[in-house]
Amino acid sequence: DAGVTQSPTHLIKTRGQQVTLRCSPKSGHDTVSWYQQALGQGPQFIFQYYEEEERQRGNFPDRFSGHQFPNYSSELNVNALLLGDSALYLCASSAGLAGFREQFFGPGTRLTVL
Amino acid sequence: AQSVTQLDSHVSVSEGTPVLLRCNYSSSYSPSLFWYVQHPNKGLQLLLKYTSAATLVKGINGFEAEFKKSETSFHLTKPSAHMSDAAEYFCVVSDRGSGYSTLTFGKGTMLLVSP
Repeated sequence: DAGVTQSPTHLIKTRGQQVTLRCSPKSGHDTVSWYQQALGQGPQFIFQYYEEEERQRGNFPDRFSGHQFPNYSSELNVNALLLGDSALYLCASSAGLAGFREQFFGPGTRLTVL
Repeated sequence: AQSVTQLDSHVSVSEGTPVLLRCNYSSSYSPSLFWYVQHPNKGLQLLLKYTSAATLVKGINGFEAEFKKSETSFHLTKPSAHMSDAAEYFCVVSDRGSGYSTLTFGKGTMLLVSP
């Protein structure tokens, strides 16, 4: 059983560009959450998708947007990249929205903005 | 609102000695609490979780944690450290009562294990 997968593993972009990161959830999971982990920090919640809708959002600007597809996979889009967007982006999946549900994390996408 | 405070940014132990990583939480509802470990260049792995059953929770690799509501604490312990335990550890809270499974992470504690 494949766990959570993310692509690409590494990405280098320049300021002002746009980027799309992809996530496939663990089999049987229908909820996908995205996190940003800056160097030396804990992951910060960006947003969560369930039934193809954004259900909750953290304190991130509108430059961060996402999508969930009918097969539960998800994309994270970031527009007008800033140097400060350089981070490890983690995708996590769970079976349902409830707060006690365990979230399984992918290996992450390392984004570098030059 | 929910928050987590990990009281130590770094903890150094010798191999074979006990490990204690401290965590205090704040939650508006009955919390679920987790400890995750992150090895260098690897994804986050769940060590253990508390979801309102027994207050002493046993996890993988000999780790355990005790939920103390009166102290709002969820400290992680292990009787004897192994070199392979060297990694960053995150204490995490999720508000069960909110109906959502968003996680709030602490800033992490780096565990260093010396021979």
